[in-house]
Amino acid sequence: DTAVSQTPKYLVTQMGNDKSIKCEQNLGHDTMYWYKQDSKKFLKIMFSYNNKELIINETVPNRFSPKSPDKAHLNLHINSLELGDSAVYFCASSQGRLAGGLNFGPGTRLTVT
Amino acid sequence: GESVGLHLPTLSVQEGDNSIINCAYSNSASDYFIWYKQESGKGPQFIIDIRSNMDKRQGQRVTVLLNKTVKHLSLQIAATQPGDSAVYFCAENKGLTGGGNKLTFGTGTQLKVEL
Repeated sequence: DTAVSQTPKYLVTQMGNDKSIKCEQNLGHDTMYWYKQDSKKFLKIMFSYNNKELIINETVPNRFSPKSPDKAHLNLHINSLELGDSAVYFCASSQGRLAGGLNFGPGTRLTVT
Repeated sequence: GESVGLHLPTLSVQEGDNSIINCAYSNSASDYFIWYKQESGKGPQFIIDIRSNMDKRQGQRVTVLLNKTVKHLSLQIAATQPGDSAVYFCAENKGLTGGGNKLTFGTGTQLKVEL
């Protein structure tokens, strides 16, 4: 059973389009995250939700909007896609004080053309 | 072999040798540190962690060393195997009041194991 799953795994779209990436975790964790990994493999946090409440919102353009319908889901919607949005987006979850670290999903490779 | 994980350097080691991957962290208030392994096309996987009240922790074939004085973390892999080839990240955590955590990643080191 996959602990943290994301769909789709690959997403190719044109500039200006709006797209969503979905994430689900079946670990019963309270906290979920979105990370962006650029072409140099640098991982940067974008958002975090704890019990459906937004607790981390880094300097991300407001074209990016996370939505957490319940504790097990954290979706990422991106409006007006730009070339610079091309990256791999990882969803993750954790519980408590991070004993055992974050559980990452397999990633969604977004390519904007 | 050794490397400093401030860019994305490549560390090449012979199969069976020991590997040392280094990392400098930035926040003296960080209280928890984790090493992750990321294989090509996959998400980062937890390897080993260490809390700030410790300076050494051992797992199976891996050891993490923490030097808070100079804000330095290292990962030692004993008897490196081809399956160890991956990008390795250190991460530092600062707990947030009210719950949640902010995990900040280093830039990663590519480990290549030569047969």
